[in-house]
Amino acid sequence: EPEVTQTPSHQVTQMGQEVILRCVPISNHLYFYWYRQILGQKVEFLVSFYNNEISEKSEIFDDQFSVERPDGSNFTLKIRSTKLEDSAMYFCASGRTGGLNEQYFGPGTRLTVT
Amino acid sequence: KNQVEQSPQSLIILEGKNCTLQCNYTVSPFSNLRWYKQDTGRGPVSLTIMTFSENTKSNGRYTATLDADTKQSSLHITASQLSDSASYICVVSSYSSASKIIFGSGTRLSIRP
Repeated sequence: EPEVTQTPSHQVTQMGQEVILRCVPISNHLYFYWYRQILGQKVEFLVSFYNNEISEKSEIFDDQFSVERPDGSNFTLKIRSTKLEDSAMYFCASGRTGGLNEQYFGPGTRLTVT
Repeated sequence: KNQVEQSPQSLIILEGKNCTLQCNYTVSPFSNLRWYKQDTGRGPVSLTIMTFSENTKSNGRYTATLDADTKQSSLHITASQLSDSASYICVVSSYSSASKIIFGSGTRLSIRP
């Protein structure tokens, strides 16, 4: 069964460094999402992406964040200058349609900012 | 304010027993409600999805109910297994808008042998 994959599973970085989190969505999916979950807290929506542009973004998704689909398979989340509070699990999700009942989540990348 | 509240926060039951998890929401207008299972360190996996007109939906040993009038949902797990140990998250969507998805804090379920 196809699934969303994410790399790396765990990323440790120093404050102020740039990080790129990578996701490979399910191959025939067209809608892509990033969520984050700070340890012990709720999952929060960051951004949705369709047709090579951002469809929606939350207040969390400020100028430090960017997303890109550099080729036909990868979907990346870049954090330009990481802060301690960016430490969280970052989940990628994809869907064949934009229906919210059809999002498939990846296993997540644990980002630790020191 | 759009909110999703789950109870209990955590629950411990013996293997083979049944349990029911609760979800109350104030999200409006309502589009759909989903229950996810999230194993530690993993991404959420969808268990059930219900729209306004659906009262009950089952997925194996999982049965979800929805009362759109009182804005309450429950997830009933029958004959629990050790592998059911996980967090169960209630997620409510407003319009067909990704930013209007509200996640609950989850119920941490532990099954003891």
